[in-house]
Amino acid sequence: GENVEQHPSTLSVQEGDSAVIKCTYSDSASNYFPWYKQELGKRPQLIIDIRSNVGEKKDQRIAVTLNKTAKHFSLHITETQPEDSAVYFCAAWRSLSNFGNEKLTFGTGTRLTIIP
Amino acid sequence: DGGITQSPKYLFRKEGQNVTLSCEQNLNHDAMYWYRQDPGQGLRLIYYSQIVNDFQKGDIAEGYSVSREKKESFPLTVTSAQKNPTAFYLCASNRLNSGNTIYFGEGSWLTVV
Repeated sequence: GENVEQHPSTLSVQEGDSAVIKCTYSDSASNYFPWYKQELGKRPQLIIDIRSNVGEKKDQRIAVTLNKTAKHFSLHITETQPEDSAVYFCAAWRSLSNFGNEKLTFGTGTRLTIIP
Repeated sequence: DGGITQSPKYLFRKEGQNVTLSCEQNLNHDAMYWYRQDPGQGLRLIYYSQIVNDFQKGDIAEGYSVSREKKESFPLTVTSAQKNPTAFYLCASNRLNSGNTIYFGEGSWLTVV
């Protein structure tokens, strides 16, 4: 099955600096890669996603890049703010069945702390 | 996200008891999922269902059971066979063949006392 590795497990950056979180996946058939942000005690919230036919996607201060050949994708947050402090999860999804979906496999998470 | 309702939000269970966590969605989503999250850890898939009356085991199904009698409902039973059930349980759903985006309920905290 799919295996998703995420690094680093913790990350502290100064407010205003950029943060980068990296993930690798094992299954070349995976074709959808979402990123979730989870605040303490709350549910994960989708912040950005990318599909395998796209190399980069940007939404204001957040961007995601995908390298299919190397099987890795990264989350970039620029001009970080205190409210960006949270745990971030990457995930990989492979469509296999006739229904067009299979399960989503998550990375282990990155605890991002923004230092004021 | 607001269309996925989990209850109860907090639940205490005595050892040896079965408990059932409710998950209802009004988003007309085809697929539903249950994840377990331990403190400071990632999300692990327990069970998932793509259609009514059908479901598949995830990575940590032992000690859990589910049913999918209605499209909008996917209850999870934590049985006494689950030795370490204290965790945060998240229900999720998505529409098949429509972007794969998965949405989560607010979660249920289960504590064994």
